[in-house]
Amino acid sequence: AAGVIQSPRHLIKEKRETATLKCYPIPRHDTVYWYQQGPGQDPQFLISFYEKMQSDKGSIPDRFSAQQFSDYHSELNMSSLELGDSALYFCASSLSGRTVLTYGYTFGSGTRLTVV
Amino acid sequence: GENVEQHPSTLSVQEGDSAVIKCTYSDSASNYFPWYKQELGKRPQLIIDIRSNVGEKKDQRIAVTLNKTAKHFSLHITETQPEDSAVYFCAATTEVDSSYKLIFGSGTRLLVRP
Repeated sequence: AAGVIQSPRHLIKEKRETATLKCYPIPRHDTVYWYQQGPGQDPQFLISFYEKMQSDKGSIPDRFSAQQFSDYHSELNMSSLELGDSALYFCASSLSGRTVLTYGYTFGSGTRLTVV
Repeated sequence: GENVEQHPSTLSVQEGDSAVIKCTYSDSASNYFPWYKQELGKRPQLIIDIRSNVGEKKDQRIAVTLNKTAKHFSLHITETQPEDSAVYFCAATTEVDSSYKLIFGSGTRLLVRP
């Protein structure tokens, strides 16, 4: 079965550079969530999209922006990268609304971002 | 906002023993409580979940209980095996404009000794 696809799997950037992470949800899933997981930390919610509109926002820095496109894939754009941005970035997708309570979330394999 | 506390942070058990991980949440409107197992550098994998209208759910060696009044939920693993060793996260979610963001606990590192 198709899963949530994230690219790239690994990314190394220098401080002050920009990075773009991509997420391709499971077909027919219309909701995308982004999470950041620092070393030894729990995943922290960044932002979510439903039907190409931002639906909720968490602890996402102003240097980060994201959007969901017409094909439902999403991109997380990160500018002026800092050492503290080094983390695993997970995308998850679900069907909209209360169906998540029945079918749950599916996480992608993540992108490991290292800022040097 | 929602806050989820998880205990213990580390748990070491002998193979075959049971393991229990406990979580509490703050938002009484939370209605979905998944548990994830995460191996180093890999994605969180859903192992079991429970909805707010259910008090207990079991799947083979894994069970979850929910006490809505006390805002507690727990993961029980019986007959533990070395391959159960991983970090386990509890989470809670509340709907915001059709978004069900997950608020995670801080994680429990489970070590099953052969």
